Amino acid sequence: GAVVSQHPSRVICKSGTSVKIECRSLDFQATTMFWYRQFPKQSLMLMATSNEGSKATYEQGVEKDKFLINHASLTLSTLTVTSAHPEDSSFYICSASGGTLPEAFFGQGTRLTVV
Amino acid sequence: GNSVTQMEGPVTLSEEAFLTINCTYTATGYPSLFWYVQYPGEGLQLLLKATKADDKGSNKGFEATYRKETTSFHLEKGSVQVSDSAVYFCALSEGSRDDKIIFGKGTRLHILP
Repeated sequence: GAVVSQHPSRVICKSGTSVKIECRSLDFQATTMFWYRQFPKQSLMLMATSNEGSKATYEQGVEKDKFLINHASLTLSTLTVTSAHPEDSSFYICSASGGTLPEAFFGQGTRLTVV
Repeated sequence: GNSVTQMEGPVTLSEEAFLTINCTYTATGYPSLFWYVQYPGEGLQLLLKATKADDKGSNKGFEATYRKETTSFHLEKGSVQVSDSAVYFCALSEGSRDDKIIFGKGTRLHILP
């Protein structure tokens, strides 16, 4: 199946700094990418949907100024957590879809710890 | 709107037991249905899928049949292994390539040796 690479897998940052997470589709053109957040022992929460070349569509309750999403090409989307705080610590997962297959393909996830 | 409801966990079984994780959905159209699995510390992987009514998805000994009449997509495995311990998510998509995936809350499965 298609491969989605997410980087970094783990990151620890100081409170107040910004962190960028990359999501790349390696062997297909991802017209749409999704960013999810997963709290411990809970389900996935969709944060935003991004289409290549357009502004991301954020779900209700997600701060667009805090979670900056860029989808500049058909193979790369980035999520930047700005001015991170300990409550932003979580597992972030991207997924990408494109082509004729109905399913989305997921990155490996990024464990963010803000200290 | 579209939604997915799956049985709450955790589910604890002994090795070689039969597994069923129930999943029902509501959708306005004709969605595609999926089961994703998340092993400890990892991201999500597609386990199996079905894109139309009466389709059966299967992978790694797991099966699920798309039942339109009961709006269900229950996950089954005849003999579970310790390595099947993970969180399982039932999900749907309306099928257009830009459509988001809607997930159930996940079911944590523990298999005891």
